[in-house]
Amino acid sequence: AQSVTQLDSQVPVFEEAPVELRCNYSSSVSVYLFWYVQYPNQGLQLLLKYLSGSTLVKGINGFEAEFNKSQTSFHLRKPSVHISDTAEYFCAVSSNAGNNRKLIWGLGTSLAVNP
Amino acid sequence: NAGVMQNPRHLVRRRGQEARLRCSPMKGHSHVYWYRQLPEEGLKFMVYLQKENIIDESGMPKERFSAEFPKEGPSILRIQQVVRGDSAAYFCASSPINTGNTEAFFGQGTRLTVV
Repeated sequence: AQSVTQLDSQVPVFEEAPVELRCNYSSSVSVYLFWYVQYPNQGLQLLLKYLSGSTLVKGINGFEAEFNKSQTSFHLRKPSVHISDTAEYFCAVSSNAGNNRKLIWGLGTSLAVNP
Repeated sequence: NAGVMQNPRHLVRRRGQEARLRCSPMKGHSHVYWYRQLPEEGLKFMVYLQKENIIDESGMPKERFSAEFPKEGPSILRIQQVVRGDSAAYFCASSPINTGNTEAFFGQGTRLTVV
């Protein structure tokens, strides 16, 4: 079984400041890791994913994340945020075995970018 | 290639009525996942289906909820005798037959309100 913990439920930050949204996971099997963004009353948009290979993953909108297997973490970072980055961010994990790619989700981190 | 299409986008039902949520996967995709996003509770996996088969229903409530993915047509999530607690956003995601390393793609969701 897998579980995901997003350590911060809310992160306020000023525009152009760096931000890190933290995600830890627990799993008895090898996993794929994902970050999704959800704008108010919208669907889920994939920011980035770790499947294999390089542990530093670059995604859309200037976001990146680093997979740390020893610390079972997959923290999301952006060096300089914009007002438009204000949204809910979800970390998720799925098993990489077989065809079942069901996602186990964290509770989300609400990023509020202030001018 | 159209994305994952969910309809309706918004659905209002009175307590005791039935709700039918539809999901048309991306062309060539034969795996469908349903998730529910309850207020303050985050996203939860409900069910994973392939054409004409339910593969994993470990997240489905035992009563009133059912899902199908027929050979032809969209996947349907059916909720009988809805209650206020069913009010949530329901998201569908699809992935191709050869899952490999690819992730699932999400629809915009159906927001169900039970009054």
